[in-house]
Amino acid sequence: EVQLVESGGDVIQPGGSLRLSCAASGLTFSRSAMNWVRQAPGKGLEWVSGISGSGGDTYYADSVKGRFTISRDNSKNTLYLQMNSLRAEDTAVYYCAKRSWGFDSWGQGTLVTVSS
Amino acid sequence: EIVMSQSPATLSVSPGERATLSCRASQSVGSSLAWYQQKSGQAPRLLIYGASTRATGIPARFSGSGSGTDFTLTITSLQSEDFAVYYCQQYSSWPLTFGGGTKVEIK
Repeated sequence: EVQLVESGGDVIQPGGSLRLSCAASGLTFSRSAMNWVRQAPGKGLEWVSGISGSGGDTYYADSVKGRFTISRDNSKNTLYLQMNSLRAEDTAVYYCAKRSWGFDSWGQGTLVTVSS
Repeated sequence: EIVMSQSPATLSVSPGERATLSCRASQSVGSSLAWYQQKSGQAPRLLIYGASTRATGIPARFSGSGSGTDFTLTITSLQSEDFAVYYCQQYSSWPLTFGGGTKVEIK
């Protein structure tokens, strides 16, 4: 059974930085394309970023491009999202998700609150 | 960017009835379309991929259809556990995009 466990969410001031982690188990991680999806309070789902299994290809939503960096450590079966220059509108639950045809496995999410 | 639009925003249905949800893409996504179910306080769950293929463990009362720009999720004989928010998503091209969601509520 695939398990994805996010961590790193916190309350952070605008302009600050935060790194999220997603620990994966029950899958061949290095062969799995991974993504981050977020959901602002009371709102819908927003895709944030994606990365190929090797880490060689990365993709970003325009709303986070230049501020967020996705990466992975296949030796640790862990996905990361480095978030810089955080804004109030980045406040959301952040989910990591494994992509095959669609996102077939999701973590439980970690809450990031950007507020002064 | 491909914009995904879902209708209606809210659908009121009685248990045992059929629900029909629509999703439209601003340009063709072929069959690269997924549907998700999300219950309050939970992560989304993949229901359908490839526009019409049920994901593992998804009951047969869920079915998807369509291709190109117009897609439909049909839930026959709604059960109590089916009342939730449903999202479509295209994975044809980057950036990946979700629709705004349809809330299926008890009538």
